[in-house]
Amino acid sequence: GAVVSQHPSRVICKSGTSVKIECRSLDFQATTMFWYRQFPKQSLMLMATSNEGSKATYEQGVEKDKFLINHASLTLSTLTVTSAHPEDSSFYICSAPRTSGSYEQYFGPGTRLTVT
Amino acid sequence: AQTVTQSQPEMSVQEAETVTLSCTYDTSESNYYLFWYKQPPSRQMILVIRQEAYKQQNATENRFSVNFQKAAKSFSLKISDSQLGDTAMYFCAFMRPRVQGAQKLVFGQGTRLTINP
Repeated sequence: GAVVSQHPSRVICKSGTSVKIECRSLDFQATTMFWYRQFPKQSLMLMATSNEGSKATYEQGVEKDKFLINHASLTLSTLTVTSAHPEDSSFYICSAPRTSGSYEQYFGPGTRLTVT
Repeated sequence: AQTVTQSQPEMSVQEAETVTLSCTYDTSESNYYLFWYKQPPSRQMILVIRQEAYKQQNATENRFSVNFQKAAKSFSLKISDSQLGDTAMYFCAFMRPRVQGAQKLVFGQGTRLTINP
């Protein structure tokens, strides 16, 4: 089956620094990828839709200058948390549809970000 | 905008029992997809079952089945013969068919299910 990977799985950074999270589709090409944020014991909240070859589409309330998304290729999307602060600490998950227009999405294993 | 509501934050049953998780949603669309996802302690999201709104027949996957009531906008998940490995967070999710960049999943708040030995 399709596999989506994320790297790193865990990252700790100091307040004020930036951190990059990678999301890769391993055996299929993904023109679209989604980035979610999940706080402890809460649901997944969609942050943005990453589009290969064009700008990302951000959900209302998500700061695009703080959460930079780059869909560099058909298998890679990156989320950069700029000038991270402790309130950015969360679990970040990406997903990608198996094919364009497919209802079935594959989720990455997630990245736990801790900002100290 | 679509909303998904799971009114049971936590549930607990004994192993081998049957448990039903409830989910309601709100939409003006006539065609859409509904999903139940499982998130075990590993945090990996796993698709449990899906239902296309245009299909009247309830979806079934082994021990998992749904009761899809389109008019009532209800989509409950029944787990039969529950197993310890079913312990997880369960999320109900809604998706519109792909129209101008749709395919977004809207998740409910989740239900934490514990299966006791």
